[in-house]
Amino acid sequence: EAGVAQSPRYKIIEKRQSVAFWCNPISGHATLYWYQQILGQGPKLLIQFQNNGVVDDSQLPKDRFSAERLKGVDSTLKIQPAKLEDSAVYLCASRTGQKGTTEAFFGQGTRLTVV
Amino acid sequence: RKEVEQDPGPFNVPEGATVAFNCTYSNSASQSFFWYRQDCRKEPKLLMSVYSSGNEDGRFTAQLNRASQYISLLIRDSKLSDSATYLCVVSSYQGRGSTLGRLYFGRGTQLTVWP
Repeated sequence: EAGVAQSPRYKIIEKRQSVAFWCNPISGHATLYWYQQILGQGPKLLIQFQNNGVVDDSQLPKDRFSAERLKGVDSTLKIQPAKLEDSAVYLCASRTGQKGTTEAFFGQGTRLTVV
Repeated sequence: RKEVEQDPGPFNVPEGATVAFNCTYSNSASQSFFWYRQDCRKEPKLLMSVYSSGNEDGRFTAQLNRASQYISLLIRDSKLSDSATYLCVVSSYQGRGSTLGRLYFGRGTQLTVWP
């Protein structure tokens, strides 16, 4: 079974530039999460989708971050403009089972460095 | 107050030692509990789910105390390969009547097992 796919694996940009990350979840997984993981910390939830709808974006810095999952499958996360403190690993995870009892599977992440 | 609190460690133990990690969560309505393992520069992967009655998987034992909102992980007979960061994860429903699962991570506890 194919896992969660993310691209790119690495990205280096200058501050104030834009960047986009892509995620393809496991087939059939309705729930998709984007997390930000800063070095030495646990993953912090940015946004959660259920199919193509947003169910939680309370921790997404909406002035610069945006995300979409138009067809309820692939998702993109965008940062515009990037700041130095956005340097982190961006993890996408997917999950099946609406009752929240099931395992979440993670992609390998995109390591973003803002210089 | 953070949803999930963990002692970040680090824990440095010799091979064969027994080590215990603890975590507390703030939402008494939380429904599901997990321990994830994250190797250096890798994505988190499920180590084990945590059940109310406690559960064991080989050298690993997980306990849940709902009254104290406390979760623990015990590793017996530590191996070099157990060196990693252990993440405490709590899943909570979005709200009354909802079955959609939010997934909150602690900051992780770093374990190093030395020969």
